[in-house]
Amino acid sequence: EAGVAQSPRYKIIEKRQSVAFWCNPISGHATLYWYQQILGQGPKLLIQFQNNGVVDDSQLPKDRFSAERLKGVDSTLKIQPAKLEDSAVYLCASSPWVTEGAGTEAFFGQGTRLTVV
Amino acid sequence: TQLLEQSPQFLSIQEGENLTVYCNSSSVFSSLQWYRQEPGEGPVLLVTVVTGGEVKKLKRLTFQFGDARKDSSLHITAAQPGDTGLYLCAGASTRKLIWGLGTSLAVNP
Repeated sequence: EAGVAQSPRYKIIEKRQSVAFWCNPISGHATLYWYQQILGQGPKLLIQFQNNGVVDDSQLPKDRFSAERLKGVDSTLKIQPAKLEDSAVYLCASSPWVTEGAGTEAFFGQGTRLTVV
Repeated sequence: TQLLEQSPQFLSIQEGENLTVYCNSSSVFSSLQWYRQEPGEGPVLLVTVVTGGEVKKLKRLTFQFGDARKDSSLHITAAQPGDTGLYLCAGASTRKLIWGLGTSLAVNP
């Protein structure tokens, strides 16, 4: 079974520029997450999709971040304009979320390391 | 707001020592997961515990879910340098995953 695919792996941009990340989840997984992770800390949820609907985007800085999941499969996360504090690893994960118990596990991609200079 | 407090935040031990990591919350979770993350990679699932009081073992790692399903612990016996990494707990509730801040473990040879 193919895992979660993310691209690019690394990106360096100047502040005020825009950037986009792409994620292809595991086939059949209805739930897709975008997380921001600072080195050595736990992941911070940016947005959670259930199929192509948004479940939670309460921590997404909507003035500069946007995300979409067209057709309930792959997803893109965009930052425009980028700030220095956006430098972090952006992780995409998917989950089958069959029930509230087993099946809620998240499967992660390798992430995109963004550096804003 | 649901919170999952993870402790300790940092741990540096010698090879062969034992250690325990804790995740605590005032909220009840339907399941709790433990992940391990290595530098440059995404977190990888170690185990899921679902039933209150459940104990699962994975080689030298022992995971326990509290009776009330509000807390969990991870115990590592005879730690090895290969155990070095960031350990994360996550609780599932109402279709959301609540994450702890992580425990950064360094096992020195």
